[in-house]
Amino acid sequence: DTAVSQTPKYLVTQMGNDKSIKCEQNLGHDTMYWYKQDSKKFLKIMFSYNNKELIINETVPNRFSPKSPDKAHLNLHINSLELGDSAVYFCASSGGYGSPQHFGDGTRLSIL
Amino acid sequence: SQQGEEDPQALSIQEGENATMNCSYKTSINNLQWYRQNSGRGLVHLILIRSNEREKHSGRLRVTLDTSKKSSSLLITASRAADTASYFCATDEYGNKLVFGAGTILRVKS
Repeated sequence: DTAVSQTPKYLVTQMGNDKSIKCEQNLGHDTMYWYKQDSKKFLKIMFSYNNKELIINETVPNRFSPKSPDKAHLNLHINSLELGDSAVYFCASSGGYGSPQHFGDGTRLSIL
Repeated sequence: SQQGEEDPQALSIQEGENATMNCSYKTSINNLQWYRQNSGRGLVHLILIRSNEREKHSGRLRVTLDTSKKSSSLLITASRAADTASYFCATDEYGNKLVFGAGTILRVKS
């Protein structure tokens, strides 16, 4: 069974559209994260949730809105997509801050 | 902000050789972690070393931590073609997030 799964794997869309990425973990972790990896492989945290509560919001444009319906799910909705949003978005979970993180395989977002 | 800087940016070695990657960071840390990322996949946790530890082993991996120099190294012994990947260090800054370095791309030639 996949520990952290995110869908879709690929997302190709037009500028200005709205899209969502879903993430689910079956590890029983309380903490979940969204990261953005740019074309140079630099990985930067965007959001962190602990038990459905937003803990970290790293100066991400408010076009990005995370939502955690329960502690096993953390979705990411992006409004009015821009060219600069093209990247790979990773969901991760951990048993607490400072603990090893488990990553999904990423969603490659391409804006045309 | 980017905490870790890794060196070298890319490394190419022959199968069977050892690979050493270095990571430097700027602030006090609780622990430092190393991750591997295969092409097109997510990051996989390899090893965690706490700030009060100096060396840790896991299989063919050896990690050292020098808090006085704010640096860490990852040694992969007897490398295999399957070790070809990007390797990232990440620091836990006593806060609530990991900060990742820029990564080292390792290529092991068979």
